[in-house]
Amino acid sequence: AQSVTQLDSQVPVFEEAPVELRCNYSSSVSVYLFWYVQYPNQGLQLLLKYLSGSTLVKGINGFEAEFNKSQTSFHLRKPSVHISDTAEYFCAVTRPNDYKLSFGAGTTVTVRA
Amino acid sequence: DVKVTQSSRYLVKRTGEKVFLECVQDMDHENMFWYRQDPGLGLRLIYFSYDVKMKEKGDIPEGYSVSREKKERFSLILESASTNQTSMYLCASSPRDRGAEQYFGPGTRLTVT
Repeated sequence: AQSVTQLDSQVPVFEEAPVELRCNYSSSVSVYLFWYVQYPNQGLQLLLKYLSGSTLVKGINGFEAEFNKSQTSFHLRKPSVHISDTAEYFCAVTRPNDYKLSFGAGTTVTVRA
Repeated sequence: DVKVTQSSRYLVKRTGEKVFLECVQDMDHENMFWYRQDPGLGLRLIYFSYDVKMKEKGDIPEGYSVSREKKERFSLILESASTNQTSMYLCASSPRDRGAEQYFGPGTRLTVT
């Protein structure tokens, strides 16, 4: 079974600064990887996903992530954050022959002016 | 626009009560999911349904059951609510395509007293 570790539970950051959220997964087989965002009092929505192909994936709202198979990582980045990026971010993994996602514990990003 | 709705945003029940959480999706998706979300634990899958009347246990099914009589509706049932089931419950749906995005409802915050 696969599992996901999000290395930071809280990330405070100033507005217009860059942010990186770290995600490592464990799996002995190929995986699909996802980043979801949860704004306060809302459900989750997809930021981006990696299925195959280019290891650099671009998502919505200026986010991108890089798949690194040798390091089993899928870190999320944004070069310049806004106040509106304050949210909880979840990394998730699944196998190509499965529908069920395994989620990490989440990283809370707080953007300050 | 994609829509997953949950019957209640907030619910307060007493220990021992039978509790029904309802989820409806309007996207004709084959797959539906129930998760619980707890701080520091991320999302954990309770049950998954891949077709009408079909279900599969997730990681934490104990104390829960589900019902899917129609494609658009997926119900989570707490047979006898306990205080340790106080949590946020999220419903999601996805099409059958491998690697497809899951679409989430806004969640139901259940408190069992």
